[in-house]
Parts: sequence; C-alpha cells; structure tokens
Amino acid sequence: KAGVTQTPRYLIKTRGQQVTLSCSPISGHRSVSWYQQTPGQGLQFLFEYFSETQRNKGNFPGRFSGRQFSNSRSEMNVSTLELGDSALYLCASSLILAGSTDTQYFGPGTRLTVL
Amino acid sequence: LAKTTQPISMDSYEGQEVNITCSHNNIATNDYITWYQQFPSQGPRFIIQGYKTKVTNEVASLFIPADRKSSTLSLPRVSLSDTAVYYCLVGSNAGNMLTFGGGTRLMVKP
Repeated sequence: KAGVTQTPRYLIKTRGQQVTLSCSPISGHRSVSWYQQTPGQGLQFLFEYFSETQRNKGNFPGRFSGRQFSNSRSEMNVSTLELGDSALYLCASSLILAGSTDTQYFGPGTRLTVL
Repeated sequence: LAKTTQPISMDSYEGQEVNITCSHNNIATNDYITWYQQFPSQGPRFIIQGYKTKVTNEVASLFIPADRKSSTLSLPRVSLSDTAVYYCLVGSNAGNMLTFGGGTRLMVKP
C-alpha cells in the first residue's frame, strides 16, 4: 500500500506570495491532519479534516487554511507569506480517528523556504 | 491532551539497549501512549502504542506501570541508524490533534 505523498517536496517563495501544498493520504484513510515543524517551535498542529470538514484547528492565523476533497486528498494554503512561515509542513493520514488507537501516518513533508 | 516530559537527549553505543522514559502525570483514563521516531527532514514514523502493562513489536517494547503516569520505550540492540528524535505522545479518541513535545534526541555512536 502506498504511503502518504506530499507535493511539492521543496518550494521557495518570496514574502507576500501565497502557496498551496498538496497531500494524498493512504488509500482508505479518511482523516488528514497538517503540522508545521520549525527548529524553534517544534511540531505544531495546524488543522485536521475528515469527510471534507475541518474538525480541529490549531493556534495559527487565518492566513493558514485548508480543504479536503471527496477522495480524501487535502490541500493547505498559506497566503501573504512571511519569513517565519519557512518550515517543514507535514501531512498525516489515519483511518478514522487518531490520537489513540488509530495511528497517524506521516508523509515526507514539504520544505517551504520564504525569502 | 496530557503534557509529556522526556529527556532532551541521550547517547548510546551500537548493540546496547536504550530505554527512554516519558512522564505523563496527568494522563486521562481514555488516553493511550504512542511513540514516534523522526529522522531529519522526514515525517515522524509510528513505532509503538500501548494503554497499560507491556507491548512489544518487531521494533521496540513499551513498558507502562500500573499508575500509567510514565512509560518507557525500550529499543533493543540499537544501531547507528536508530539515531533520531523520539517523541512520546499521550491522547485519547477525542480527535486527531497530536501534541508533540520536544522529543528525545538519541545519538548512537559506533
């Protein structure tokens, strides 16, 4: 079974631009979560989608948004990029519910650099 | 979600057994304990999950005492490729908001 895939793997943008990252979950997985990882803040939860609905949201500004399609693929968008948005963005998928008995499987991440 | 405390870093040598302990004093009745491994510039990889007593798989063992206020990840006979950051997480079925702490940076030396 193919793992979680994320595209692109690397991205360079300039301040003020916007960016869209894509995540394809493991086949059959219905939940997709997004995380941001930086050296200073570590791994932080952004949001989670299940059946095309956002169920949970972390403490990030409204510039960070996402969506999920009917095939469970998900995209996240960051508008008006700031230097501090440079990070590794990770997507994780799980069957239904994660956090305990339902394991989250992570993709390789998208490395975003904002200049 | 219960807060976890782990050592910031640990050193070991190839072939040794490594035990990483995680403290989670405020663990709730419905919470499970999950450990992830992460290599640089890669996503975290699930290692093991448990609720109480002992769980073992092909990669590691997880020991959880009766009060569940701590847990110990045991890696048998580590190799250089086990050098990574190990995260302990505690959570319930309430949602998918994994809260990662700082993790433990394990360095395996030859």
